[in-house]
Amino acid sequence: EPEVTQTPSHQVTQMGQEVILRCVPISNHLYFYWYRQILGQKVEFLVSFYNNEISEKSEIFDDQFSVERPDGSNFTLKIRSTKLEDSAMYFCANDGTDTQYFGPGTRLTVL
Amino acid sequence: LAKTTQPISMDSYEGQEVNITCSHNNIATNDYITWYQQFPSQGPRFIIQGYKTKVTNEVASLFIPADRKSSTLSLPRVSLSDTAVYYCLVGDPTGGYNKLIFGAGTRLAVHP
Repeated sequence: EPEVTQTPSHQVTQMGQEVILRCVPISNHLYFYWYRQILGQKVEFLVSFYNNEISEKSEIFDDQFSVERPDGSNFTLKIRSTKLEDSAMYFCANDGTDTQYFGPGTRLTVL
Repeated sequence: LAKTTQPISMDSYEGQEVNITCSHNNIATNDYITWYQQFPSQGPRFIIQGYKTKVTNEVASLFIPADRKSSTLSLPRVSLSDTAVYYCLVGDPTGGYNKLIFGAGTRLAVHP
């Protein structure tokens, strides 16, 4: 199975700090996604990215969030000023021919 | 996006066959049915996808009746390692873009 990788596996930060979560998607797959999952809750769509721009975003993805492909391969999610409620697992996903492949996730803990 | 309904939880024992049914009454013509598995603190993992009738792979089978308003994921001879949350999703995966909307899933517990 194709592999999406994410770093770091666990990030601890103080409220108000900026964090950058990184994803290395599968090469030649064009659509990128970020999802999050608060402990004990559903997996929630955050944003999709195609052709170097956001194609869709959810109401969760407010001005504190941004995404980019800084070097044409990595895909990042930045949270500018973290809040306690941003604590969650964040998953990067990448489209295959007929489905999405998810990375292992980054556990973000905001103190 | 079609809404799906599946049981919140199920229990089984090692070696048994487990069938998880999902209802999707408003499935559209172009929609496929996809099942994912998720272990705690891991990303969802694709299990199987189908459009109609029956699909089988090395992990599971997917049964879809002619009206496509429901589907059944069948896991043969489960083991303890099959304890996970299973999600049924409906959507059109063709054309590349396919935002996934997850429900609560079915929490399967396999007992010794």
